[in-house]
Amino acid sequence: DIQLTQSPSFLSASVGDRVTITCRASQGIGTYLAWYQQKPGKVPKLLIYAAATLQSGVPSRFSGSGSGTEFTLTISSLQPEDFATYYCQQLIFFPRTFGQGTKVEVK
Amino acid sequence: EVRLVETGGGVMRPGGSLRLSCAASEFYVSENYVSWVRQAPGKGLEWVSGIFSGGGTSDSDAVRGRFTISRDIPKNTVYLQMNSLRAEDTAVYYCARERLGYFFDLWGQGTLVTVSS
Repeated sequence: DIQLTQSPSFLSASVGDRVTITCRASQGIGTYLAWYQQKPGKVPKLLIYAAATLQSGVPSRFSGSGSGTEFTLTISSLQPEDFATYYCQQLIFFPRTFGQGTKVEVK
Repeated sequence: EVRLVETGGGVMRPGGSLRLSCAASEFYVSENYVSWVRQAPGKGLEWVSGIFSGGGTSDSDAVRGRFTISRDIPKNTVYLQMNSLRAEDTAVYYCARERLGYFFDLWGQGTLVTVSS
């Protein structure tokens, strides 16, 4: 199975900060990677797919990059509504797998 | 409205069985890949099982041999039959539609399964 390891697992930041989350795959997955945001009690929301494509309606402060085994999600200027948990997911191999999550908290 | 609605959650004893349902509206499960994803309390997302448009299925190691995904095309519904339940199966269970190879674009609201003696 493909293991996805996100770092960090927890991140304290302030409004306006630039935030970067890394997702590393245990083997190459091309660009078959998506990023989701989840708030407590809510369903995951798609942010990025194909590693770098911004989902329609998602603010442009979110961006994704990477291929193969290393990927990043960047929030260029953190907004109050961005405090949440972020997950990466690979969609090339079965079983589908998610990273363990990165919780972005208020500093 | 395009949506997925899960039902069937509840409280079960270890070793018990439960069947979850995921009813689709405004699209056909027979033309899409639909998965079950679970989230234990305070934990991350875990993919459980999936069923292809052609009917083929795939399961995670954690549930293989205990859980079975299936569908009823006329009812436009996907099921998850869960047998030999364990405490570690306690979670909110979501069904989700995948744009195959790209992303999960539609999620249900989730149904809570609690396994406790």
